[in-house]
Amino acid sequence: LAKTTQPISMDSYEGQEVNITCSHNNIATNDYITWYQQFPSQGPRFIIQGYKTKVTNEVASLFIPADRKSSTLSLPRVSLSDTAVYYCLVGDRAGTASKLTFGTGTRLQVTL
Amino acid sequence: DTAVSQTPKYLVTQMGNDKSIKCEQNLGHDTMYWYKQDSKKFLKIMFSYNNKELIINETVPNRFSPKSPDKAHLNLHINSLELGDSAVYFCASSQDLSLYNEQFFGPGTRLTVL
Repeated sequence: LAKTTQPISMDSYEGQEVNITCSHNNIATNDYITWYQQFPSQGPRFIIQGYKTKVTNEVASLFIPADRKSSTLSLPRVSLSDTAVYYCLVGDRAGTASKLTFGTGTRLQVTL
Repeated sequence: DTAVSQTPKYLVTQMGNDKSIKCEQNLGHDTMYWYKQDSKKFLKIMFSYNNKELIINETVPNRFSPKSPDKAHLNLHINSLELGDSAVYFCASSQDLSLYNEQFFGPGTRLTVL
């Protein structure tokens, strides 16, 4: 079971780069790593997904080391609007509840 | 043109009542989910359906009963509501069971049991 561990909270100033790391020591060969973002009073929304090395889109970058036992979500130059909870999800197929464990996520607070 | 919609957005009710939350997706997805998010923001899966077939039924009291009349709808019925049922309930959908495909979440239904 690819259980994930993330810091409960992080603080940052506007304009800084933020890196949120997720540990998933028991990741399986077929598992993907997906990050979701949740704003207050809204449902989570997809940010980025990867399998290995590095993935970049217009919102974030995802760094995955060779052993895949962790991953780091990188948010460049955060703004106040990036204040949200970030969830790391690891799995290949939503056939069991363990694959859909979002947990408590990492609460990012961005201030001026 | 909302992708995943839920009704109602807010639901306030007394203990012991029976209530339903409706969910609809217009994305043509095969898989739908119900999640519960408690006051500590822990997001936990309750049910998942794939092509109207129940796939996941987590350790949820049998007072909770999902119903999927068709692939586009997954409703949640809750009988004999208890104080501990107060939470935000999210419906979501994805193309299929593969987690390579992102899940699209609804806006949530905040249930308050008095």
